[in-house]
Formats: sequence, structure tokens, C-alpha cells
Amino acid sequence: DVQLVESGGGLVQPGGSLRLSCAASGFTFGNYGMNWVRQAPGKGLEWVSRIGGRGSNTFYADSVEGRFTISRDNSQNTLFLQLNSLRAEDTAVYYCAREHSIIWYLDSWGLGTLVTVSS
Amino acid sequence: VIWMTQSPPLLSASAGDRVTITCRASHNIGSYLAWYHQRPGKAPELLIHSASTLQTGVPSRFSGSGSGTDFTLTISRLQSEDFASYYCQQYYSFPWTFGQGTKVEVK
Repeated sequence: DVQLVESGGGLVQPGGSLRLSCAASGFTFGNYGMNWVRQAPGKGLEWVSRIGGRGSNTFYADSVEGRFTISRDNSQNTLFLQLNSLRAEDTAVYYCAREHSIIWYLDSWGLGTLVTVSS
Repeated sequence: VIWMTQSPPLLSASAGDRVTITCRASHNIGSYLAWYHQRPGKAPELLIHSASTLQTGVPSRFSGSGSGTDFTLTISRLQSEDFASYYCQQYYSFPWTFGQGTKVEVK
């Protein structure tokens, strides 16, 4: 079974940094593109970033471009999201999601990790 | 950016009802559309991809249709576990974008 487990969330002050991780199991991690999607409290889903299976082909939402960096370690089956220059509006549950190998819809999701940006 | 507009934002229904949610894209996205549902406090789950293909394991009471800019999600007979929020998403071009969501609540 596909399993995605996020970690690294927490309370951080505005302007601070955080690194999220997503541990993957149950599939050949390096064969799949991976994404981060977030959801602010009481709000809808917002796509954040995407990385290809080999670590190339990265994309970002305009709202995080230049502040967040997506990366992966295929030897450790782990996806990362480095969050810098955090703002109050970055407060959200961050989900990692696997994309289908060919058609790129998001076919498996983790349970999420909460990031709270507040002073 | 391709904007996705869902309606209605809130849908009140009873178990056994047939419900339909619509999603409109600001540009032609072909069939590069997925539907997800999200139960309260849970992660989103894929229901339908490629506009009309049911994900493995999803009950047949769910169906999707449309192409280009106009899409629909239909639940033929609402069951208790279907009271949740539903989102459409385009994966035609980056940035991927979601609709604002439709909450299906008990009437």
C-alpha cells in the first residue's frame, strides 16, 4: 500500500523558516513526481509545488516562488519542502501527494502536517 | 493561470438524493480534470481523473463528465459517507489549480 507521512510542521514566527518532510513507502519513489498542496484553516486546497521523479522539472505557485524550495532524496524515499521568509498567510496544513506516473493527477495523499506562522 | 470555478459552494441534500456539482475552467483543458473529496479532518482522496474515469475502488454511484471548459460530478444516490467537501483540479498546465470547493451537507 502507498503510504505518505508528513512531518516537520509547527509554530514559527513571521520571517522564520521550516523544513517539511514526507516519507514515502509502498512504491518505487524515484519513478513518481511528487507535489505539495496546502489548505489554510477553513479554506480550500491550494497547490504549492511539484518535483519530477529524478529531482528536475520543479514548479511553484506564484505565492511561494522564491521563498519555498522543493527537493527529494530518492535514496531515502523522502520528499522535502523548505519554507523560508514565512508569512501569516502560509499558515496551513501541508499535504504531500503523489502524482500518477503518466497523467499527473494526484492519486495518493498523506495526512498532512500543520504549519502555523504567528508571533 | 487557469482559474477553476465550482458551483454551488454549498449543497444541502438528503441521503438517497442525486446531486450534481459543476466546475468551469477559464481555458480549454481538454480532459485534464480530476475530482477529489475530503471528509472533515481528513486528507483529500481522488475520485475521478481524466474528467470521467473512476479511480480504482471508488463506488459506481460517482460519475464525471465534460471536456474543454465545463465539467460535472454526479453522485447518483447520496450515502452518509458522501457528506464532505468536493474539489475539482486541472492538471493541464502549471500552476495546477483547484476549484474553491463544494460542501455537501445534510439537509
